Amino acid sequence: GEDVEQSLFLSVREGDSSVINCTYTDSSSTYLYWYKQEPGAGLQLLTYIFSNMDMKQDQRLTVLLNKKDKHLSLRIADTQTGDSAIYFCAETSYSSASKIIFGSGTRLSIRP
Amino acid sequence: EAGVTQFPSHSVIEKGQTVTLRCDPISGHDNLYWYRRVMGKEIKFLLHFVKESKQDESGMPNNRFLAERTGGTYSTLKVQPAELEDSGVYFCASSQQGAKNIQYFGAGTRLSVL
Repeated sequence: GEDVEQSLFLSVREGDSSVINCTYTDSSSTYLYWYKQEPGAGLQLLTYIFSNMDMKQDQRLTVLLNKKDKHLSLRIADTQTGDSAIYFCAETSYSSASKIIFGSGTRLSIRP
Repeated sequence: EAGVTQFPSHSVIEKGQTVTLRCDPISGHDNLYWYRRVMGKEIKFLLHFVKESKQDESGMPNNRFLAERTGGTYSTLKVQPAELEDSGVYFCASSQQGAKNIQYFGAGTRLSVL
């Protein structure tokens, strides 16, 4: 079945870039997403990329997709304390219909 | 424009009791989804409504869970009777008919079964 894997923790110094990585197994993925969950808050759709794209940039966020290796990454430039959150990698595919398949989430912590 | 709202934000009940969670989707969104995250694991799909019809309920764990969306607006998810393993965070999401893969989530309801 479909599976999405990501590391559980990442610690980054304030001002540096954060790179959160994710791998997935479904070769028929159509959309790949990054959701952000801040403490006590819901899931915020941060950005998404179509499977026929390699890269998407939105202000401090850069998403890279390597479809051959089934690898997705999220780069946050100039990481700030407000970026502290759990980041979920997720995907939908032709086989999963409209249900979103989530990874376990990566907790990003920022140190001064 | 209001986002997806869920009520209550937190519910604490005893094993064997009944709990009903409510979700109000974004106005005009025909698609409504329920997901849940138990014991810090992955967020898992439960079911999908298109208007008032159940499109996909393949993720519902067992017949103790009943979801309804009468009138195609808000939805309820009832757990009866609740078991310890039902504890977790229940998320609701909604999307437009023409962009069903772009789902917007609510803040979730944290359910604690003691």
